[in-house]
Amino acid sequence: EDQVTQSPEALRLQEGESSSLNCSYTVSGLRGLFWYRQDPGKGPEFLFTLYSAGEEKEKERLKATLTKKESFLHITAPKPEDSATYLCAVGAQGGSEKLVFGKGTKLTVNP
Amino acid sequence: DTGVSQNPRHKITKRGQNVTFRCDPISEHNRLYWYRQTLGQGPEFLTYFQNEAQLEKSRLLSDRFSAERPKGSFSTLEIQRTEQGDSAMYLCASSRGYSPLHFGNGTRLTVT
Repeated sequence: EDQVTQSPEALRLQEGESSSLNCSYTVSGLRGLFWYRQDPGKGPEFLFTLYSAGEEKEKERLKATLTKKESFLHITAPKPEDSATYLCAVGAQGGSEKLVFGKGTKLTVNP
Repeated sequence: DTGVSQNPRHKITKRGQNVTFRCDPISEHNRLYWYRQTLGQGPEFLTYFQNEAQLEKSRLLSDRFSAERPKGSFSTLEIQRTEQGDSAMYLCASSRGYSPLHFGNGTRLTVT
């Protein structure tokens, strides 16, 4: 069964303190790995899609990377507005349209 | 692009009552999804429509749950005989083809 594990569950950073979030996955043929950001009381907001090992995507202070077993979301010089829960999800090949989500990492960036 | 719209935003109901939620996807998005999210968990897939056809349903979707998407536009999710375990955020998402999912802000259901 497809599975996604995110670590750490929670992370506190000082403004400007760079760090990485981890997403480990097992899937029967990766269709795509997705990163979302979720603010309290809101729906997930799409950040990145990665399709194959070695691929990297960047957006402002965020950079996502992918290997055959895990993905990292690197946050460089974070700001308080980067505080949110970051969700990782995988889609599998084989016809199913569902995404399997991890539990997320709750990031708090203190000024 | 006005985003995915979900109504109501909050619903409080008594155990045993029926509830219905509505989702209006981004216009021209032919794919529509329902997910459920409980506190501290990631969203869990419930069902998927391509146009008006319901093509995939999760085993999580018991007989008390039914979803429709008439004419391939808005969708409704109905829960009959609600139970306390149904309390959750119900999220709707839409996409065009294989583009990433765009989520709405959900309907929070509380069953008392």
